[in-house]
Amino acid sequence: NAGVTQTPKFQVLKTGQSMTLQCAQDMNHEYMSWYRQDPGMGLRLIHYSVGAGITDQGEVPNGYNVSRSTTEDFPLRLLSAAPSQTSVYFCASRLLALGTDTQYFGPGTRLTVL
Amino acid sequence: GESVGLHLPTLSVQEGDNSIINCAYSNSASDYFIWYKQESGKGPQFIIDIRSNMDKRQGQRVTVLLNKTVKHLSLQIAATQPGDSAVYFCAENSNQAGTALIFGKGTTLSVSS
Repeated sequence: NAGVTQTPKFQVLKTGQSMTLQCAQDMNHEYMSWYRQDPGMGLRLIHYSVGAGITDQGEVPNGYNVSRSTTEDFPLRLLSAAPSQTSVYFCASRLLALGTDTQYFGPGTRLTVL
Repeated sequence: GESVGLHLPTLSVQEGDNSIINCAYSNSASDYFIWYKQESGKGPQFIIDIRSNMDKRQGQRVTVLLNKTVKHLSLQIAATQPGDSAVYFCAENSNQAGTALIFGKGTTLSVSS
């Protein structure tokens, strides 16, 4: 299994541009989530999904959209990038069954908004 | 509000020493806690977890202790090695569905030879 994959690894945007961060997992996990990590901070939850067609907001959802059309993919969209969205973005997934709360994280996307 | 924090932002130890990394949480309803290790340029990696019906859990060279009375969590690493150098985060489930983790700010562990 490839686990959780993210593309791109690095991205530079100008203020106002839009883009989509891709996340895919091949472990048939129902749950997928997006976090952002800022310097000196822990990870903060942006959006999450408990299955195809179901998404919900996390702690810091403003400025981001998500969709879950398949079990495997969970893209994160920035409709109009702002400098405050400069961060490292991590996607994670896990099974939802009891006793399997461990989340598996992707390698991250480092985004800079100028 | 709900928060998970760590007592010290940095910890420096000598190779072979035991390391103890601490974490305080504020949500007494939290029932599941996880420790993650994050190496530079990588995503967090699961180390060990513990449920609120336990007070201790051991893994390979790592032990997690949970004190619900004072809402304190600790990670003990035995015989610390240079490869253990990383940022360590504790995290807790913030809702009963277990669908949202709250992370602490992290402790940077530096191991010198």
